[in-house]
This record gives sequence, structure tokens and C-alpha cells, in this order.
Amino acid sequence: SYVLTQPPSVSVAPGQTASITCGEDNIGSYSVHWYQQKPGQAPVLLVYDDSDRPSGIPERFSASKSVNTATLTISRVEAGDEADYYCQVWDATSDLQVFGGGTKLTVL
Amino acid sequence: EVQLVESGGGLVQPGGSLRLSCAASGFTFSSSEMSWVRQAPGKGLEWVSYIGRSGSTFYYADSVKGRFTVSRDNAKNSLYLQMNSLRAEDTAVYYCASINGTYYFFDFWGQGTLVTVSS
Repeated sequence: SYVLTQPPSVSVAPGQTASITCGEDNIGSYSVHWYQQKPGQAPVLLVYDDSDRPSGIPERFSASKSVNTATLTISRVEAGDEADYYCQVWDATSDLQVFGGGTKLTVL
Repeated sequence: EVQLVESGGGLVQPGGSLRLSCAASGFTFSSSEMSWVRQAPGKGLEWVSYIGRSGSTFYYADSVKGRFTVSRDNAKNSLYLQMNSLRAEDTAVYYCASINGTYYFFDFWGQGTLVTVSS
């Protein structure tokens, strides 16, 4: 089945830019979605269909995708951005939803 | 306001059964595809199951196939997960989530219910 690879952790200083990758062969052919999960809370949709933001999500959160890697970028990082971030795709060939392993963002 | 409220979690012995429920409100439940997603303590998100709008289409993760059954009652705006032959590795917070039918992302989530499988 399809596997999405994320770095376990990313650290960034406040005000800087954080990039979180989600990699797998041919991810370019999938629609990639991103979620933020803070401790003790349910996940929240951050980005859908590679780069679109739901209403209410700040423009500081953006995403892009190449052939083999999707990237979530958080600009002007704030302490409140400290959370776990997950990428997700729908693998239509096997009718499975797939999540990446998650990346813990630490704000230094 | 969209609300998804899970219930039915608790402590169960290995080999036992449990039925989770998810009460939906604030949207047209019968028009929404739904899923269960779980998260073991300290671990990442794991998709568990999917059910189509009418309840006649379902998919399962390999880890639960043959043991878990997803169902829905559109008249009651409710989603269910029947879990049988439970194992220690099924211990997790179980979330119900609605699915965007165009891009298949999870647009709304409940707060989750904890299932603990232990003797």
C-alpha cells in the first residue's frame, strides 16, 4: 500500500520559516492534504488539494507539491504553531486513506 | 455549526467487543461520506474505515478488516463502528470524521473517544 514519509521532527525559531515535507514516489499524481494537531485536540484541516486553504486558516500556512514531494510551509512561525502536522492522500487504486507518520514542529 | 460527537469508548478485555457511535449535527449527514480514524497513545493518525452516503459502500484498513464493521443510520444522523476480537494494539482514541467527496480530505472531526484494550 501507499506510504507517505515525513520527518519526525522539525525545529524553528519564532519568526522564521518552517518547511515540512511529505514524500513518496509519484505523489505528484495525488491530491495532498495537510492537518495540524495540537496536544489533546482533534486534527484540523490546514490545506487541501495540494495548496488550497479552508476559510479561517491564516495565509502563513501554504503548501506546494512536486513529482515526489509535497511541502507544507509555515511563514513567520509563532509559538502557537507548535503542533504535530500530518499529510494525507486518498489512494484510489486501493480505496485507502493514507496518512504520513506526522512531524512534530518545535518552536525554539 | 458542524458537530460530531463520539461515544461508546471504554475499557475492554482482549477478544472483547465494543460499539462506537458518532452523532452528527449541523450539516446534511446523509449527503456526507464518513470515516473513522484512530490514534494510538503517542502515535500518529491511522485511517480505520470509510462508509459511503447510503451505507452500501465501505472500505477498511488491513489492520481491522474482518474484525470491525462500519455502519450508519441516516435517519438518526449517526455513524457506528462495531469492533470485535479486540486486541491490545487497537487501543487508541477513535475519531469520526466527515469526508469531502471531491478531494477526499477530512473536513470535520469529532473530539474522539478512547478505547483501551487491556486485561
